[in-house]
Amino acid sequence: GENVEQHPSTLSVQEGDSAVIKCTYSDSASNYFPWYKQELGKGPQLIIDIRSNVGEKKDQRIAVTLNKTAKHFSLHITETQPEDSAVYFCAATPGNYQLIWGAGTKLIIKP
Amino acid sequence: DAGVIQSPRHEVTEMGQEVTLRCKPISGHDYLFWYRQTMMRGLELLIYFNNNVPIDDSGMPEDRFSAKMPNASFSTLKIQPSEPRDSAVYFCASTKTSGMFGELFFGEGSRLTVL
Repeated sequence: GENVEQHPSTLSVQEGDSAVIKCTYSDSASNYFPWYKQELGKGPQLIIDIRSNVGEKKDQRIAVTLNKTAKHFSLHITETQPEDSAVYFCAATPGNYQLIWGAGTKLIIKP
Repeated sequence: DAGVIQSPRHEVTEMGQEVTLRCKPISGHDYLFWYRQTMMRGLELLIYFNNNVPIDDSGMPEDRFSAKMPNASFSTLKIQPSEPRDSAVYFCASTKTSGMFGELFFGEGSRLTVL
């Protein structure tokens, strides 16, 4: 079955700098890769997603890149702000209605 | 829409007691998921429903756990009897599909502590 690995587990960056979180997956049939942000005391919330027919997607300060050959995808956050501090989860789905989740990355934005 | 609504937000109970967690999905959504989140195991899918029918319950830990969806606007997750290792945050999520997987909308979770 699918397995998703996420790195790093904790990432601390200076406000205004960029942050990159990386995930790898094992099942080449996976075709949908979302990223969720979880703030303290709340449920995860989708921030961006990408399907296997594209290599990159951007939404303002957030971008996701996908390398199907290498089976990895990454989240890029530019010009980080204090409100970006949260736990970020990547996930993959091999075509059914189940998401296989990464372990999460705690992003800390230092003022 | 009010989003996915879960209750209770916090539950503290003693080992052996029955626990019932409740979820109201977003109106019109045809998939409902129950997840458990712990520091050690992360987000685990317990069970999901499509049009009120359980599709995959392979993530339910054991027979002490059961879930129902009697109608499109309500689901319950029951633990009987509860054990300290069941302590976790339980999330309900829903989505509306159109042939492809889409955004999951999560509730704010029910934090369960079993003493």
